[in-house]
Amino acid sequence: QKEVEQNSGPLSVPEGAIASLNCTYSDRGSQSFFWYRQYSGKSPELIMSIYSNGDKEDGRFTAQLNKASQYVSLLIRDSQPSDSATYLCAVGGSNYKLTFGKGTLLTVNP
Amino acid sequence: DGGITQSPKYLFRKEGQNVTLSCEQNLNHDAMYWYRQDPGQGLRLIYYSQIVNDFQKGDIAEGYSVSREKKESFPLTVTSAQKNPTAFYLCASSRKGSSTDTQYFGPGTRLTVL
Repeated sequence: QKEVEQNSGPLSVPEGAIASLNCTYSDRGSQSFFWYRQYSGKSPELIMSIYSNGDKEDGRFTAQLNKASQYVSLLIRDSQPSDSATYLCAVGGSNYKLTFGKGTLLTVNP
Repeated sequence: DGGITQSPKYLFRKEGQNVTLSCEQNLNHDAMYWYRQDPGQGLRLIYYSQIVNDFQKGDIAEGYSVSREKKESFPLTVTSAQKNPTAFYLCASSRKGSSTDTQYFGPGTRLTVL
């Protein structure tokens, strides 16, 4: 059973701080990694995708991938109250499927 | 605007009824997916289709059925055999059916059993 694990949270950070969200996965054959943001009652929207080891930056967001440790993270710099949401980690394996974690609830306090 | 539409937004079902959820995309994507999300849970794959007139069961297909007669459309029927259908249903699409392709989601349908 391929698994994707995330801390459920809630993770609470003050406005302007760095929020760090973590995800581990069990399938060593995984090739693609996605972070989605989901506001309460809404559908997931893609924040970032990453496929190679290392860091990938997009604005205030940085995704970090370490395939040897089977670990992917998302850093949000200068966190804003509008970043308050559930963040879903999704991992693509050797087939068609994405496996989703249960998500981490982030709260950014003004 | 290109995107994925789902209807209805809210749906109420009585015991023993079949209901059909609509999903349409104009992104010219080959692959489409149906997921179910329960409170505090991750997304679970119900069915997926990589090409017209072909679809495969996902992890929790029992009590559900789909069709893919057109590239743009992938309706999901929740049958009376699905014992606990109350959930948030999400349709997604991707350019191809590869796991490296980004999946984009529709706005969802919230189904409640009365």
